[in-house]
Amino acid sequence: DGGITQSPKYLFRKEGQNVTLSCEQNLNHDAMYWYRQDPGQGLRLIYYSQIVNDFQKGDIAEGYSVSREKKESFPLTVTSAQKNPTAFYLCASSPRVPPNIQYFGAGTRLSVL
Amino acid sequence: DAKTTQPNSMESNEEEPVHLPCNHSTISGTDYIHWYRQLPSQGPEYVIHGLTSNVNNRMASLAIAEDRKSSTLILHRATLRDAAVYYCILRDPGANSKLTFGKGITLSVRP
Repeated sequence: DGGITQSPKYLFRKEGQNVTLSCEQNLNHDAMYWYRQDPGQGLRLIYYSQIVNDFQKGDIAEGYSVSREKKESFPLTVTSAQKNPTAFYLCASSPRVPPNIQYFGAGTRLSVL
Repeated sequence: DAKTTQPNSMESNEEEPVHLPCNHSTISGTDYIHWYRQLPSQGPEYVIHGLTSNVNNRMASLAIAEDRKSSTLILHRATLRDAAVYYCILRDPGANSKLTFGKGITLSVRP
């Protein structure tokens, strides 16, 4: 089935550790996104990519890094510089043409040990 | 992205229609109106979108005011599975493809 696959579902990070969240899509979409969601809040954009080998910072990019080497993959690294990483992380993809409907993965819940 | 305003929460009874309002007074002529919903502990899912005319699909209907400054998502018969957070978002096709999510409306459905 076509869709967005995020892994792992749950992840634990130790102090000073970098962790990488995986996002894969088989929808043949050009654009991909990473959002962070804190309890009771809406989604905030971390990074987005409109095409392979290109990406832009969103509203809260500090402490995060991404790469886009393949169309179907957009991994997110939460670095040790992100001091409050505990949150629900959501990956999405969309076509680049309007209306740019976004399709989301099931999310990764990251906690700090 | 232009801003939207939604109530924080609404309640409905099961099998009754639900009207979820959204105000977007600063909408531009090219902004699409998108609705997504998010069930607990899941990623958001697309519900419906429109530009000027009312729209229907298998999930819901979207009624757009003539001046486009407000819209209403209509669930024709609410079920317990419709309890979720519903987000109304404006999408400017002339900008890059990112969306800006607010807090949305939390819909509760009473049996």
